[in-house]
Amino acid sequence: QSALTQPASVSGSPGQSITISCTGTSSDVGGYNYVSWYQQHPGKAPKLMIYDVSNRPSGVSNRFSGSKSGNTASLTISGLQAEDEAHYYCSSYTSSSTLVFGTGTKVTVL
Amino acid sequence: QVQLQESGPGLVKPSETLSLTCNVSAGAISNYYWSWIRQPPGKGLEWIGYIYYSGSTNYNPSLESRVTISIDTSKNQFSLKLNSVTAADTAVYYCARVTHGSHFDYWGQGTLVTVSS
Repeated sequence: QSALTQPASVSGSPGQSITISCTGTSSDVGGYNYVSWYQQHPGKAPKLMIYDVSNRPSGVSNRFSGSKSGNTASLTISGLQAEDEAHYYCSSYTSSSTLVFGTGTKVTVL
Repeated sequence: QVQLQESGPGLVKPSETLSLTCNVSAGAISNYYWSWIRQPPGKGLEWIGYIYYSGSTNYNPSLESRVTISIDTSKNQFSLKLNSVTAADTAVYYCARVTHGSHFDYWGQGTLVTVSS
């Protein structure tokens, strides 16, 4: 299975909004509403930020939101803060009943 | 609060078998899928496979020929075996809980395994 495609890097100034894309196929992202997003700070384990395309776990800021159109899912961070600087990974369920991660995006707060 | 903790050797020789165990906080292992994920130094996440508490498994096709995941519900733990390792298997290995078969909601802290002679 191929990794989902994410931009290598995205940057924004404090207070701005940024969007990270996650492109797959009709066999994964496009076929199921089972896309999730993870935030990873250096040296730390990933943290679940969004599940089932657009649901936020308890405790995750409402500045994080998710959506999907066709084979592409998106994570939007609004009101960008310094603490949001991290790597972000998407993940999707697939038609083979497996799971696949995206290539990862480094978010830089300017 | 569910807690997961990986354990196992930090150094494995090439061609040998990598073995790790994930201990899950008491009473938490039933009715969920449990997964292994790895991350080579400076690279992205790679899903290795998962096991249901009943014992059914599913693996990443790229690793399937070398991977075995097992579970011991009486000990609240599940395990990973990866055989015939090479330097390319050097990574931080994470265990995680899978909810609704679709997303990883609890993670261990990760353990670095280095493959080297």
